[in-house]
Amino acid sequence: AQSVAQPEDQVNVAEGNPLTVKCTYSVSGNPYLFWYVQYPNRGLQFLLKYITGDNLVKGSYGFEAEFNKSQTSFHLKKPSALVSDSALYFCAVRDKNALNFGKGTSLLVTP
Amino acid sequence: DTGVSQDPRHKITKRGQNVTFRCDPISEHNRLYWYRQTLGQGPEFLTYFQNEAQLEKSRLLSDRFSAERPKGSFSTLEIQRTEQGDSAMYLCASSPKGQQGSETQYFGPGTRLLVL
Repeated sequence: AQSVAQPEDQVNVAEGNPLTVKCTYSVSGNPYLFWYVQYPNRGLQFLLKYITGDNLVKGSYGFEAEFNKSQTSFHLKKPSALVSDSALYFCAVRDKNALNFGKGTSLLVTP
Repeated sequence: DTGVSQDPRHKITKRGQNVTFRCDPISEHNRLYWYRQTLGQGPEFLTYFQNEAQLEKSRLLSDRFSAERPKGSFSTLEIQRTEQGDSAMYLCASSPKGQQGSETQYFGPGTRLLVL
């Protein structure tokens, strides 16, 4: 089965600093990879996806992610973090019709 | 687009009772998905519809769970004889026609179920 792993339960960063949320994948074939964000008591909001093509994918709210085939990674990045970015972030990989999600990484941006 | 909507947003029930949740997908999205999310975990896939046909079910979908999408629009998820282990957030998502696998799934706000 296709799977992803998020090695960090929590990431802390100061406002204005760059942030990285890590994700690695394990797939057979070419992966379809996604990032979602979840705010408290809310559903998931789509940020970006990698299907094919350019390894650097740009998404919503200034987020981007870099697909690295040799390292089997798809890390989420943002050049300058905002306090409002504090939320739960999920990496996911498409497996037939389903999305298989990681456990999530809690991002805390402090003023 | 008004987004994916789910009803109710919260449900408290006693063990052994039946509950039913409703999902209204984004209009013209022909694909609909149900997921379950427990505390501290990512969402887990339950089932998938293309139009009115239920095409995939996960092993998590026990015999007590049934989902329908009778007219290819809204969907319902019913849990019979609820157990405390069913307490979770139930998420619905929909996606448009597109290259299978690459289309984005858009999620609703979820229904939080608490079984006492």
